Amino acid sequence: AQSVTQPDIHITVSEGASLELRCNYSYGATPYLFWYVQSPGQGLQLLLKYFSGDTLVQGIKGFEAEFKRSQSSFNLRKPSVHWSDAAEYFCAVGVSSGGYQKVTFGIGTKLQVIP
Amino acid sequence: EAQVTQNPRYLITVTGKKLTVTCSQNMNHEYMSWYRQDPGLGLRQIYYSMNVEVTDKGDVPEGYKVSRKEKRNFPLILESPSPNQTSLYFCASSNGQGPYEQYFGPGTRLTVT
Repeated sequence: AQSVTQPDIHITVSEGASLELRCNYSYGATPYLFWYVQSPGQGLQLLLKYFSGDTLVQGIKGFEAEFKRSQSSFNLRKPSVHWSDAAEYFCAVGVSSGGYQKVTFGIGTKLQVIP
Repeated sequence: EAQVTQNPRYLITVTGKKLTVTCSQNMNHEYMSWYRQDPGLGLRQIYYSMNVEVTDKGDVPEGYKVSRKEKRNFPLILESPSPNQTSLYFCASSNGQGPYEQYFGPGTRLTVT
């Protein structure tokens, strides 16, 4: 079975600073990888996804993520954080194999942005 | 507008009183899923459906039922709710038959007293 680890529950960064949110997964093959964002009181919105190909993927709102197979990681980055980026971020792993389909989410990283 | 809708958005009920949370999507998606979100636990999958009349258990199916009689609808049924089912519930859908990028509903806040 797959699993996802987001080691940082809370992160605080200053507006304008760079951001990296960590995500590690466990699965026997390369899974589908996702980052979602949840603003307070809202549902989840997809930021970006990785299925195959280029290991650096670009998403919405200026985010990017890099898949590193050797480290089983899929870290999310943004070069300059805006106050509106304050939200909770979830890494997710999707597995699709014949009749078996499943998505597993990490516990989330809450991002606080200070002026 | 492409969207996933859930109703009700907020619900307070008592232990043992059957309830249904509806979920509907207008994107003709084949894959639909239910999650619950609890502090410190993230989102956990309850049930998913790959198509009409095809459903399967997720990680935490106990105490829940689902049905998929129409492609657009995927209701979540709690036959006898208990306080440990107090949670924030999300419905999601995706294109294709797999767990590709999902579109989430706005959530249903359920309190069972």
